[in-house]
Amino acid sequence: RKEVEQDPGPFNVPEGATVAFNCTYSNSASQSFFWYRQDCRKEPKLLMSVYSSGNEDGRFTAQLNRASQYISLLIRDSKLSDSATYLCVVTSGTYKYIFGTGTRLKVLA
Amino acid sequence: DTAVSQTPKYLVTQMGNDKSIKCEQNLGHDTMYWYKQDSKKFLKIMFSYNNKELIINETVPNRFSPKSPDKAHLNLHINSLELGDSAVYFCASSDRDNSYEQYFGPGTRLTVT
Repeated sequence: RKEVEQDPGPFNVPEGATVAFNCTYSNSASQSFFWYRQDCRKEPKLLMSVYSSGNEDGRFTAQLNRASQYISLLIRDSKLSDSATYLCVVTSGTYKYIFGTGTRLKVLA
Repeated sequence: DTAVSQTPKYLVTQMGNDKSIKCEQNLGHDTMYWYKQDSKKFLKIMFSYNNKELIINETVPNRFSPKSPDKAHLNLHINSLELGDSAVYFCASSDRDNSYEQYFGPGTRLTVT
């Protein structure tokens, strides 16, 4: 089993749609969780950290379920500019970050 | 105001050569990393340095040698380049005071011919 697993997609959704991605992780001792966004031929950029109580940033909501060992990302009112690959990141120990393979999102006009 | 910078951005070289990639961060972070992103877009950690000390070495061939002259710099030297080394190499940094959120450099696209 991979340490961090994501559905690679692509998820093709119309503008304005709501889309959700899940990510499962295998290490129950993981402490920190993040969602990153990576555009084609660019570096990953932090989208949001994921907190135990869940957190929201504008149209983006992240949730953590420690019991089932998954994190989720919900995007409401999708924009064309949301098209990207979304990377789930889980820490293993303090300094080791495990990246998922990413979920591709295409928002269609 | 560049936070994490890498040079060069593109590197094309022949098999067997030795090359270096440089990374600098001006965020005041105490931890720096090298990642490799292969053609399948999988991002894998290679090395991690905390306060100039190596703390993670992820079974990377010893042809790869990182060097951290100070907290703000982490360079990567690669000896005897092989075709399979072709990838995008990303440098990143993080800090405990910022909840360990990582900031990435723009990447170095290495092509070995």
